[in-house]
Amino acid sequence: QVQLVQSGAEVKKPGASVKVSCKASGYTFTSYDINWVRQATGQGLEWMGWMNPNSGNTGCAQKFQGRVTMTRNTSISTAYMELSSLRSEDTAVYYCAKAYTYGSTDYWGQGTLVTVSS
Amino acid sequence: EIVMTQSPATLSVSPGERATLSCRASQSVSSNLAWYQQKPGQAPRLLIYGASTRATGIPARFSGSGSGTEFTLTISSLQSEDFAVYYCQQYNNWLFTFGPGTKVDIK
Repeated sequence: QVQLVQSGAEVKKPGASVKVSCKASGYTFTSYDINWVRQATGQGLEWMGWMNPNSGNTGCAQKFQGRVTMTRNTSISTAYMELSSLRSEDTAVYYCAKAYTYGSTDYWGQGTLVTVSS
Repeated sequence: EIVMTQSPATLSVSPGERATLSCRASQSVSSNLAWYQQKPGQAPRLLIYGASTRATGIPARFSGSGSGTEFTLTISSLQSEDFAVYYCQQYNNWLFTFGPGTKVDIK
């Protein structure tokens, strides 16, 4: 069965970077884009960006340009999202999600809580 | 950037009643519209894609309609497990945005 397993919770200081991993199984990793979405406590979903695991091509929301880097290691079917210059407003649960069709995502990771605090 | 709006913000419904949720895009997204359900402490679950196609395993009481800029999610007869937050999400030109969500709670 399809599974996306994310790395564990992180606590970072303002100005630091965080790298979240997302290990895929149960499907051909290079056949579907991976999206990254975050959610601050009590808030809505915020789309961050996408990555094509086959080509490595990426795209992201304008507010994250220059701060987010999405990469992958196809040999271990793992996607990564690195967010730099962290600030308190980046405290959120970060999700990876497998792309499906018509721009939807059909499988999601369990989420990774990133806390930014001095 | 395409902005998504959802109404109402909160919908109070009794079990067994019908719920109608609306989603509007600031410009046409054709049929590139999905609906998700999210319960506390859980990741979102895909309900509808392509504006009107139910995802695998989604009960028939969930239906989606619309195209262009106006979309609707209908839950024909609310069950206890349907009380949750519902988000619409669009895809256009390699960019995605979510609506702010509609919370469906028990009346």
